[in-house]
Amino acid sequence: QKEVEQDPGPLSVPEGAIVSLNCTYSNSAFQYFMWYRQYSRKGPELLMYTYSSGNKEDGRFTAQVDKSSKYISLFIRDSQPSDSATYLCAMSRNDYKLSFGAGTTVTVRA
Amino acid sequence: EPEVTQTPSHQVTQMGQEVILRCVPISNHLYFYWYRQILGQKVEFLVSFYNNEISEKSEIFDDQFSVERPDGSNFTLKIRSTKLEDSAMYFCASSAGTGVNTIYFGEGSWLTVV
Repeated sequence: QKEVEQDPGPLSVPEGAIVSLNCTYSNSAFQYFMWYRQYSRKGPELLMYTYSSGNKEDGRFTAQVDKSSKYISLFIRDSQPSDSATYLCAMSRNDYKLSFGAGTTVTVRA
Repeated sequence: EPEVTQTPSHQVTQMGQEVILRCVPISNHLYFYWYRQILGQKVEFLVSFYNNEISEKSEIFDDQFSVERPDGSNFTLKIRSTKLEDSAMYFCASSAGTGVNTIYFGEGSWLTVV
């Protein structure tokens, strides 16, 4: 079983729709959970960070972590064409080494 | 906004040649990292560096790889004898302290080995 699993998509939604992304993981030692956005040929950019289980909201973005199910989610409300990118989940046992998912490519159609 | 800068943005090299990828981390950051992303695959951790020494490295980071902070501003990744499978995007990252939410990534150096 892969340490972090993420459906690569692609995912295409109309503008204004809710984008729902998720990852599963196998390592119960993960404590830190992140979502990054990556544009083509660019570096990952941190969007959301959560420590342990729970929900976190930042503007149009909501991150959820369910450690009991080893499942994390990212929701993007009122999606915009500028949200079109690859979204990477990442996790960590300690506080510096990240384990990434494969990334989900999202296209928001105008 | 401060940023991590990387050079070159793209390098093509012959198999067996040595390559040095350069990074200028954010100026007050103390922790430095290299990650790589083979085309179509996950971003993978290579190495972390703190206080002038490697703090952790992955199994990918074998004897062909080395890192150095030659002066107060640069952080380099050297690949001694490149192989075709080293072709990837290499990301430098830095953080002010421990804390995954403080890690900033550069835009990457795309290495093509032919």
